[in-house]
Amino acid sequence: GAVVSQHPSRVICKSGTSVKIECRSLDFQATTMFWYRQFPKQSLMLMATSNEGSKATYEQGVEKDKFLINHASLTLSTLTVTSAHPEDSSFYICSASPLYTFTFGSGTRLTVV
Amino acid sequence: ELKVEQNPLFLSMQEGKNYTIYCNYSTTSDRLYWYRQDPGKSLESLFVLLSNGAVKQEGRLMASLDTKARLSTLHITAAVHDLSATYFCAVAEKKSSGDKLTFGTGTRLAVRP
Repeated sequence: GAVVSQHPSRVICKSGTSVKIECRSLDFQATTMFWYRQFPKQSLMLMATSNEGSKATYEQGVEKDKFLINHASLTLSTLTVTSAHPEDSSFYICSASPLYTFTFGSGTRLTVV
Repeated sequence: ELKVEQNPLFLSMQEGKNYTIYCNYSTTSDRLYWYRQDPGKSLESLFVLLSNGAVKQEGRLMASLDTKARLSTLHITAAVHDLSATYFCAVAEKKSSGDKLTFGTGTRLAVRP
């Protein structure tokens, strides 16, 4: 089946620094990938849709200058959290959609101290 | 804007009992997904429902879709402790930027002896 690999699984960073999260489709090509954020005991909220070779589409209320998305190839999308602050601490999950399914990465637990 | 509601939000049930989780959504869609999430983990796909009247079963779980009522159900039969997790439904809608998945609020299921 389709596999989406996400790295790192866990990261702790200092306030003010930037963190990059990678999302790879391992056995299929993904022209579109999705980035979600999940706060404790809450649902998943779509942050942005990543499009290969073009600009990402951000959901309302998501700062595009803070959450930089790059989708440079058909198998890799990256999310960079710039100038991270403690309120950015969350669980970030990427997803891709081969055919009618949505496959999710294993998630990245970001803690900003 | 598509809204997806689940109820109940929290369910504590005894082993061996049956129960149903409900998922209501606000706009037309013909694709609905059910996922399981264990604490600290990403999402595991349970069911993909692609048409009105679709019913799928796997072990003690059975999911159904009524697109006219905009309602999906996840029925649990003879619950066991291993089913304790958070269950999400998600509804797909077509957007110009690609298909978008909107998640329900989630149902935290605790199965007790």
